[in-house]
Amino acid sequence: AQKITQTQPGMFVQEKEAVTLDCTYDTSDPSYGLFWYKQPSSGEMIFLIYQGSYDQQNATEGRYSLNFQKARKSANLVISASQLGDSAMYFCAMRRANTGGFKTIFGAGTRLFVKA
Amino acid sequence: SAVISQKPSRDICQRGTSLTIQCQVDSQVTMMFWYRQQPGQSLTLIATANQGSEATYESGFVIDKFPISRPNLTFSTLTVSNMSPEDSSIYLCSVLKTGTSYEQYFGPGTRLTVT
Repeated sequence: AQKITQTQPGMFVQEKEAVTLDCTYDTSDPSYGLFWYKQPSSGEMIFLIYQGSYDQQNATEGRYSLNFQKARKSANLVISASQLGDSAMYFCAMRRANTGGFKTIFGAGTRLFVKA
Repeated sequence: SAVISQKPSRDICQRGTSLTIQCQVDSQVTMMFWYRQQPGQSLTLIATANQGSEATYESGFVIDKFPISRPNLTFSTLTVSNMSPEDSSIYLCSVLKTGTSYEQYFGPGTRLTVT
């Protein structure tokens, strides 16, 4: 069965510093996608970054990068140069690429607090 | 990207009644999903709604409780039937952009409180 684990319920980071949010996953499928979403207090779900299981390079999107370690089944999100606006809930998610009806499952989330 | 709107944005309902949530997308999409997010929790998939076929429900969710309609490629409704306080949640509509396997977008959510 598929599973996403986020072991950090809350994280604090000083403004302008980098922070890593942990995510591990479990699947027996060879083809899958990994995602990170940001959910601010307003409640909207904002797509941040995507990593395909066959991608050779780690995904990057601006200040966001995904540290993909396939053998360890981890997909940590790195936010560089944290900003106050980064304070939010962050969800790691996984989707099987073609089977399972493209269903996405989400981890429990990590709440990030950025300190001024 | 896809712009998704949901109606209502929030509602307070009495136990035993039903509420229908509407989801409108600004472009045609094949795959639509309905999620529930209980207070302080993660997202749980209720069902997948593809146009022209019956919705596919996840374990723990049944059609009698959460009937879904998908009349066309830009619109879907989710009804929460015979509500109880345990149904108090945020309900989110989501779409997978046609032609990709990863561009998934979410609506703003409907915050439901059942008293």
